Amino acid sequence: LAKTTQPISMDSYEGQEVNITCSHNNIATNDYITWYQQFPSQGPRFIIQGYKTKVTNEVASLFIPADRKSSTLSLPRVSLSDTAVYYCPGPPEAGNMLTFGGGTRLMVKP
Amino acid sequence: DGGITQSPKYLFRKEGQNVTLSCEQNLNHDAMYWYRQDPGQGLRLIYYSQIVNDFQKGDIAEGYSVSREKKESFPLTVTSAQKNPTAFYLCASSTGQGGTYEQYFGPGTRLTVT
Repeated sequence: LAKTTQPISMDSYEGQEVNITCSHNNIATNDYITWYQQFPSQGPRFIIQGYKTKVTNEVASLFIPADRKSSTLSLPRVSLSDTAVYYCPGPPEAGNMLTFGGGTRLMVKP
Repeated sequence: DGGITQSPKYLFRKEGQNVTLSCEQNLNHDAMYWYRQDPGQGLRLIYYSQIVNDFQKGDIAEGYSVSREKKESFPLTVTSAQKNPTAFYLCASSTGQGGTYEQYFGPGTRLTVT
C-alpha cells in the first residue's frame, strides 16, 4: 500500500504559524494530495487537497514542491481550537480506499 | 442536511455478544467504509464497499462482518470472535470516483466490551 510519513507530534503557541510536512512514497502522476483534521472523539474531516504548487482555503494552505514527493500543510496563526490530529493519507487504492497512518498530533498552547 | 449518521454514540456490551453498529448516509455516495481507531492511534480499515451488494475486507476484517443491501446503509457487526472489540468505530463514504479523494466521516461510535 502507498504510505506517507509525517511527524508524530508538534507543539505550538497561539498566534504562531504551524507547518506540518508529509513525505509521499510512491505518489503517482495523477494522484492528488489530501489532508484531514480530527478532533478528539470525532470523525476526521477533509480540509484541503492539492496537486502541485500552492492551494489555499479558509482553513489552511498546502504547499507541494515540483517533485511532489512531499507536501506541507500550513496553518496560519493557530488558536487553541486547532489542537487536533492532522493526517495526510496515501493516495487512494482500489475503491477510493485511503490509508491513514498515525497522523501528526498538534498541541497548541496558550 | 446531507451527511453520515452513526448510532449509537456510545455502546456497551458484555463479552461474547455480537453487536451491530449503524451507519447511514444521504449523500448518494456509492462507496462506504468502516474504520477502527484505538486510543492515540490512527485509523485502520475494517471493510469497504464500492457498490450495493458488494464489499471487500480491509486490513483488520477478522471478527467483523458487514452487509450492503441498500446504498444508504452499511451496518457493521462486531462478533464475539473479535478479540479486542473495545474501540472507536468510524464510518465514512465517498463518491468512489477516481480523482475525488474526499471521504466524509460520521461522528463515530465508541464501543466498550467488558
